[in-house]
Amino acid sequence: VQLVESGGDLVQPGGSLRLSCAASGFPFNQYYMTWVRQAPGKGLDWVANIAPDGTAARYVGSVKGRFTIFRDNAKNSLYLQMNSLRAEDTAVYYCAKFIRLNNYDYIHVWGTGTKVTVSS
Amino acid sequence: QSALTQEASVSGTVGQKVTLSCTGNNNNIGRYAVGWYQQVSRGAPKAVMFGDFLPSGIPDRFSGSKSGTAASLTISGLQPEDEADYYCSTWDYGLNSRVFGGGTKLTVL
Repeated sequence: VQLVESGGDLVQPGGSLRLSCAASGFPFNQYYMTWVRQAPGKGLDWVANIAPDGTAARYVGSVKGRFTIFRDNAKNSLYLQMNSLRAEDTAVYYCAKFIRLNNYDYIHVWGTGTKVTVSS
Repeated sequence: QSALTQEASVSGTVGQKVTLSCTGNNNNIGRYAVGWYQQVSRGAPKAVMFGDFLPSGIPDRFSGSKSGTAASLTISGLQPEDEADYYCSTWDYGLNSRVFGGGTKLTVL
């Protein structure tokens, strides 16, 4: 199982960025996926989840209306479209897959992360 | 402020048993199982426990448990390579959000 993020960059406040995550080694279209971020010197913060078929997504309140999680199962890829970026969105963004065990969902495998810096 | 509360730091000597705690409420730990994640030197996190289930490749000195609204990760026979930040995580029904603890920095003396 491998997850490789890309697309992180330096962007000005108010700008946009699209992160990508290339998945391999597992049946991508069967798993919930997620984005988790980590601001400099801080802990882990969940950003968004998406269902295997892409029809259902959930977001943390601070990014609702600004970020969109989506996926292309034909390309085994997960995305995060980030608009109206703020300084507080500065973080390393991790792509991760879930695993379901005994009817509970756990974040299972993590990517290596991509760095987003929002600054003028 | 995190929905889940963890100790800021814990330390132990090689071979010692240490327990990390994660405290929540009836909307999160009281309802759902807890995952634990190890992050070494701010690298990519790695899952070390799913509830009380050990992921493939994780040494059996790691164990997990839960009682009511609190969960714990125990490392029996601490090793130098266990030095890392550890995070607990679960779903929160009230927040409708996945939540993480603030993390515990484990130091191996």
